[in-house]
Amino acid sequence: DAKTTQPPSMDCAEGRAANLPCNHSTISGNEYVYWYRQIHSQGPQYIIHGLKNNETNEMASLIITEDRKSSTLILPHATLRDTAVYYCIVWYSGGGADGLTFGKGTHLIIQP
Amino acid sequence: DVKVTQSSRYLVKRTGEKVFLECVQDMDHENMFWYRQDPGLGLRLIYFSYDVKMKEKGDIPEGYSVSREKKERFSLILESASTNQTSMYLCASSLRRSYLHFGNGTRLTVT
Repeated sequence: DAKTTQPPSMDCAEGRAANLPCNHSTISGNEYVYWYRQIHSQGPQYIIHGLKNNETNEMASLIITEDRKSSTLILPHATLRDTAVYYCIVWYSGGGADGLTFGKGTHLIIQP
Repeated sequence: DVKVTQSSRYLVKRTGEKVFLECVQDMDHENMFWYRQDPGLGLRLIYFSYDVKMKEKGDIPEGYSVSREKKERFSLILESASTNQTSMYLCASSLRRSYLHFGNGTRLTVT
């Protein structure tokens, strides 16, 4: 079973910031939070990851709460091409397969 | 750019056939993964390999086996295909402590 919970769907207006939440209340100290997205008929694509500090790259920002039990992926200026299913997982590669099952994710729909 | 290549995009097999799904990565990654994706169920891990000849079961290994004889290649084997194995199969690879790179999937239909 997935170790994260996400809302099944969200809408966002084009040009606005999309904020996607993820709960991972059982995260352990060495597990990273990873975000991926999947556009229809393609394999998932990596977006960003973090351990405890907030992270930013050219695609998105990741905000992790101080207790690390939840995180938010922020797409600062959503476009129609950001419509996709977004997955959050927590994983420590030294821990083997535990955490590698993706849940159902959040279907983000960007409205024109 | 990392490339994860799955040998077939679409595959149709008959019940009871032995089926091989092949995956090759070109970036010397230690880890390789096989997932299946079904509507409403997300991506479920079948098997994970962290080195040549090494493997670990995921959440749904029943009815599947894997082979990793070379670092770049990870095969998923359905010993006797059944209709409930009709699904999208996704392969991925990663460095030991890094994120996953996915292929574009093989849509397998078992009739």
